[in-house]
Amino acid sequence: DQQVKQNSPSLSVQEGRISILNCDYTNSMFDYFLWYKKYPAEGPTFLISISSIKDKNEDGRFTVFLNKSAKHLSLHIVPSQPGDSAVYFCAARELGPGNTGKLIFGQGTTLQVKP
Amino acid sequence: DSGVTQTPKHLITATGQRVTLRCSPRSGDLSVYWYQQSLDQGLQFLIQYYNGEERAKGNILERFSAQQFPDLHSELNLSSLELGDSALYFCASSYAGSGNTIYFGEGSWLTVV
Repeated sequence: DQQVKQNSPSLSVQEGRISILNCDYTNSMFDYFLWYKKYPAEGPTFLISISSIKDKNEDGRFTVFLNKSAKHLSLHIVPSQPGDSAVYFCAARELGPGNTGKLIFGQGTTLQVKP
Repeated sequence: DSGVTQTPKHLITATGQRVTLRCSPRSGDLSVYWYQQSLDQGLQFLIQYYNGEERAKGNILERFSAQQFPDLHSELNLSSLELGDSALYFCASSYAGSGNTIYFGEGSWLTVV
């Protein structure tokens, strides 16, 4: 039962253009969403996040959009750079008892930005 | 460098054996999370500890166990290993146990032959 889904395993864009990575989720109780970026032979690194009470969060070239009614979020990278080539993971927080939380991750989308 | 340290980085072992993966969280972080990434799979949550106590459990097999010690480092024990246990095992940490942002180590590659 995949609660967080990234349906596109890969995406290829030209340098300077926009990259849009998509993520869908099924659990309406998720209250916080994050994007992580992973290079080969490294651990995932935190990129950007958004609370469920917002619909947009921007940090430099990275913007995350949240559509709660559609249970969908997306990451926009503008302009895309070759150094952005990596695997991007979408994650959602599931709160548990005692304010503990765990992150549920999608399967990842491999982004390739061509020079 | 996230500040989360995992050892060993690579490990090759035979089926039926037992291994221990070690994680030192970022300085000051109280919570440790373990994740498994198999080939073509996303990051699967295994277990979370907060200040020495188990807080949340995911899809962790009964052959696997973990603990967090008083100095806050954590160990993941994998026993009766099978070929399918070959994966990248990540440890992550955060200050609180609420899991809103967690910081990952570089992972331990386990190959079972």
